[in-house]
Amino acid sequence: ETGVTQSPTHLIKTRGQQVTLRCSSQSGHNTVSWYQQALGQGPQFIFQYYREEENGRGNFPPRFSGLQFPNYSSELNVNALELDDSALYLCASSLSASSYNEQFFGPGTRLTVL
Amino acid sequence: SQQGEEDPQALSIQEGENATMNCSYKTSINNLQWYRQNSGRGLVHLILIRSNEREKHSGRLRVTLDTSKKSSSLLITASRAADTASYFCATVSINTGNQFYFGTGTSLTVIP
Repeated sequence: ETGVTQSPTHLIKTRGQQVTLRCSSQSGHNTVSWYQQALGQGPQFIFQYYREEENGRGNFPPRFSGLQFPNYSSELNVNALELDDSALYLCASSLSASSYNEQFFGPGTRLTVL
Repeated sequence: SQQGEEDPQALSIQEGENATMNCSYKTSINNLQWYRQNSGRGLVHLILIRSNEREKHSGRLRVTLDTSKKSSSLLITASRAADTASYFCATVSINTGNQFYFGTGTSLTVIP
């Protein structure tokens, strides 16, 4: 157990809907990164938040957005869901935004879009 | 697109044998990290190797890095059934600083 929690565990939505996924980071960590992992693939970097500001973004459209709160927990919002958004969404927290810090992953949220 | 590519995609060995996985990447990196994932759950960090390091050990794990060939290998010695998992390398490009690029992973099965 890493101390990083995600909710919900599973979620089923229909195409066009909107979804919010939540992540509580490990105590003392001010950086949260979000990843999308399609079945049989490696995680793909969506974006990172450091001290409530976006600190880097991968190749994802603007309908993927996020927030980080003063307690460093985070949300991932996806609008206008598409079938291809079905995936495991992982968040990872780290001590700071330095890439030399270990990332601690949560168990993920399995999103299914019908 | 993902920067790292692992090889082989799948590996099946007997308990007690060694397992070697390879990772190739495309651009210059700050560091390379190996992670393990059990059955679609969260990833667990195994080891980090900096771009100026060539080899690193942690318990039964040995990681090598060859920046001239843009490749890394992960060796797990004396494998156990509990080592059954998917293993991913993650690179951090010097151009994108804090973004981790994961490969497609190697699925390791250790047969008791």
